[in-house]
Amino acid sequence: SAVISQKPSRDICQRGTSLTIQCQVDSQVTMMFWYRQQPGQSLTLIATANQGSEATYESGFVIDKFPISRPNLTFSTLTVSNLSPEDSSIYLCSVDGGSVDGYTFGSGTRLTVV
Amino acid sequence: EDQVTQSPEALRLQEGESSSLNCSYTVSGLRGLFWYRQDPGKGPEFLFTLYSAGEEKEKERLKATLTKKESFLHITAPKPEDSATYLCAVQAATSSGTYKYIFGTGTRLKVLA
Repeated sequence: SAVISQKPSRDICQRGTSLTIQCQVDSQVTMMFWYRQQPGQSLTLIATANQGSEATYESGFVIDKFPISRPNLTFSTLTVSNLSPEDSSIYLCSVDGGSVDGYTFGSGTRLTVV
Repeated sequence: EDQVTQSPEALRLQEGESSSLNCSYTVSGLRGLFWYRQDPGKGPEFLFTLYSAGEEKEKERLKATLTKKESFLHITAPKPEDSATYLCAVQAATSSGTYKYIFGTGTRLKVLA
């Protein structure tokens, strides 16, 4: 199965600033997925990132707040912009390993906004 | 509305005390049901995929089963290292021909030595 390196693992940010999260995959993948996991809640899909096209955002998430970069088939970034305390959460990237391996997830980025 | 519900929210077991976790779902066009394990500070780790009612998968002390409305994750003679949050997710077809992944909120399992 694919191996994903995600960084940073955690960060504390001031409100109004932005944080960019990076995910590097050890193999080429068509789609990469970005999730948010708020305390005590399930994983929520933010957007799907395809190489060479605009990311597809889920309801409730907008590009201005969560811009995504997908410059090649092994790398993607998610930026969380204009941070507020409500953005404090764990953010995860993921790729689809198919029926045998399921989804592979990065180790997550724990964001705290103060 | 598509929904995935896991119960219990939390479970404490003594080492060796077998039990089951439940994942009930209401989705149209189920393509698969997935179980994941998540340790603190880490991303979810894939355990099983189930596709049709009656299907079963096993891995060490874990066994997953699937019916038309729910899935169970049976833990036999658990050990402290089985302590984690167990997540259930369903993959469902959408009206546009794509698919979506819906996660439950998980069951936090603590196994005491």
